[in-house]
Amino acid sequence: AQKVTQAQTEISVVEKEDVTLDCVYETRDTTYYLFWYKQPPSGELVFLIRRNSFDEQNEISGRYSWNFQKSTSSFNFTITASQVVDSAVYFCALSDSKLDKVIFGPGTSLSVIP
Amino acid sequence: GAGVSQSPSNKVTEKGKDVELRCDPISGHTALYWYRQSLGQGLEFLIYFQGNSAPDKSGLPSDRFSAERTGGSVSTLTIQRTQQEDSAVYLCASSFPGSYNEQFFGPGTRLTVL
Repeated sequence: AQKVTQAQTEISVVEKEDVTLDCVYETRDTTYYLFWYKQPPSGELVFLIRRNSFDEQNEISGRYSWNFQKSTSSFNFTITASQVVDSAVYFCALSDSKLDKVIFGPGTSLSVIP
Repeated sequence: GAGVSQSPSNKVTEKGKDVELRCDPISGHTALYWYRQSLGQGLEFLIYFQGNSAPDKSGLPSDRFSAERTGGSVSTLTIQRTQQEDSAVYLCASSFPGSYNEQFFGPGTRLTVL
């Protein structure tokens, strides 16, 4: 069975602090894809990143970075020097190559306080 | 338009009435997904279309829920005999085929059942 766990329900940080959002997944497939989406207060989900199971290279995009570790089935997301505009709910998601179904985690609500 | 559109944006209905929610995917996106997001909750997968067919209907909560897609484009999600627990935001997403493709989400329809 596929499952995505985001153990942190809510996180509050002060602006300019770094913050890491955890994501742990379960799947029996050898080929799968991991995603992060952002849902700002406006409500519309926005795609942030996709990673396939064969690519364990970490990725950095501006203040965002992602750490994919197959050994621990984790795909963590770090925001460096957080800003108020980063306040949102962040969802980690998993899909496999068979079902074309995406399983979302419960989300982590991040509040960045000025 | 360039993005996924959904209508209506808000729907208030009385318990027991039927409602129909509409999703217009991005042109060229053959994959279409429906999700439900209850207040403060994560995304619950409802149904997925590849073209006009729905290979996976396992997420529909009950037989009061149905969905169809015609012409490989517009999709409608119908809820019959609505109940108060159906109150949620219903999100539609579309993508190119393949589970490796990111989904583009619409703004959602907020359904309130009184």
